[in-house]
Amino acid sequence: SQQGEEDPQALSIQEGENATMNCSYKTSINNLQWYRQNSGRGLVHLILIRSNEREKHSGRLRVTLDTSKKSSSLLITASRAADTASYFCATDSNAGKSTFGDGTTLTVKP
Amino acid sequence: NAGVTQTPKFQVLKTGQSMTLQCAQDMNHEYMSWYRQDPGMGLRLIHYSVGAGITDQGEVPNGYNVSRSTTEDFPLRLLSAAPSQTSVYFCASSETLPGLNEKLFFGSGTQLSVL
Repeated sequence: SQQGEEDPQALSIQEGENATMNCSYKTSINNLQWYRQNSGRGLVHLILIRSNEREKHSGRLRVTLDTSKKSSSLLITASRAADTASYFCATDSNAGKSTFGDGTTLTVKP
Repeated sequence: NAGVTQTPKFQVLKTGQSMTLQCAQDMNHEYMSWYRQDPGMGLRLIHYSVGAGITDQGEVPNGYNVSRSTTEDFPLRLLSAAPSQTSVYFCASSETLPGLNEKLFFGSGTQLSVL
């Protein structure tokens, strides 16, 4: 079964609004990563947060990690139409396996 | 640098046929992996390799074989294609194990249909 589960499955917002998506996982992790996938393309890495970090920023992205709740959130501020994509969390252990959730599909309307 | 290159981009097979999906990376990455992505779902790990000559099974390995004779190449073989293997296949690589805080670089995918 998938380690990570994102919610919501789909999110539709207006340009300029913030988008928040969540990821829950089941077992202990070394780090958690967020990826983006445009329709028909491969995944592109967005941001990595280590298990001993609680929050990380990269441009308009803000990621939080709560290891006690086994959950993470990705916030995209001031969204743009170009942010329309699917977003996946991936959890990494020492075992050499990155396990992906089913993703959140974000639609940003101009 | 080309990054991770997958070929072919599209393939149609008949049930029972065999084929090899190619994956090559030019970043001297030790770790390579194959995922499949079914419609509306995330990626499921098929096989992975932590270096030349070393491979291991992922979450859904049945029906697939891999080998890693060089650092650059990691082909995925479908031994006898089945309709359940219709999917989009992604190859990914990273410098070392993802669990060691390494990000994955993905190819653009191979869309496979098995009739």
